[in-house]
Amino acid sequence: NAGVTQTPKFRILKIGQSMTLQCAQDMNHNYMYWYRQDPGMGLKLIYYSVGAGITDKGEVPNGYNVSRSTTEDFPLRLELAAPSQTSVYFCASSYGGHGGYEQYFGPGTRLTVT
Amino acid sequence: AQSVTQPDIHITVSEGASLELRCNYSYGATPYLFWYVQSPGQGLQLLLKYFSGDTLVQGIKGFEAEFKRSQSSFNLRKPSVHWSDAAEYFCAVGAGNQFYFGTGTSLTVIP
Repeated sequence: NAGVTQTPKFRILKIGQSMTLQCAQDMNHNYMYWYRQDPGMGLKLIYYSVGAGITDKGEVPNGYNVSRSTTEDFPLRLELAAPSQTSVYFCASSYGGHGGYEQYFGPGTRLTVT
Repeated sequence: AQSVTQPDIHITVSEGASLELRCNYSYGATPYLFWYVQSPGQGLQLLLKYFSGDTLVQGIKGFEAEFKRSQSSFNLRKPSVHWSDAAEYFCAVGAGNQFYFGTGTSLTVIP
């Protein structure tokens, strides 16, 4: 199993550009999550999904969009990139929700907006 | 509201010394508690978790943690630190469909 994969690993965007961060998992997990990690701030939840076709906002959703058309894939869309979106983005998945299941993390995407 | 506090931003220990990383949480019900480790440039890896039962839980790489309800704490310990333990450590609480992470403790190990 590849686990959770993310592409790209690094990306530099200009202000106002858009991009999609890709995330895929091959563990047949129902739950998937997007986090951003800023220095000294820990991880903040952006969006999560409890299954194909179902998504919900996390703590910091503004400026982002998600979709979940399949169990495996959970892309994160940035529209009109801003410097405040410079961060490291992690995708994660878990078998179940309710906080009681281990989350498996991808290697991250480092995004810089200039 | 749920929250996780890791009071120590950075800790330095000598190789072979013992280690304790502090974690305090705020949650109204019995929490699901986790410790994750993040090596430089990597994603997070689960060290251990507490759901219920025995309050002392064992994890990978020789780590253990103790849940103390009266203190709302879930401190991580290791009796003898190895140089390879240098990393960032995150405590997290699972609540509802979400996780809440602390801000992390960076561990430096000196020879």
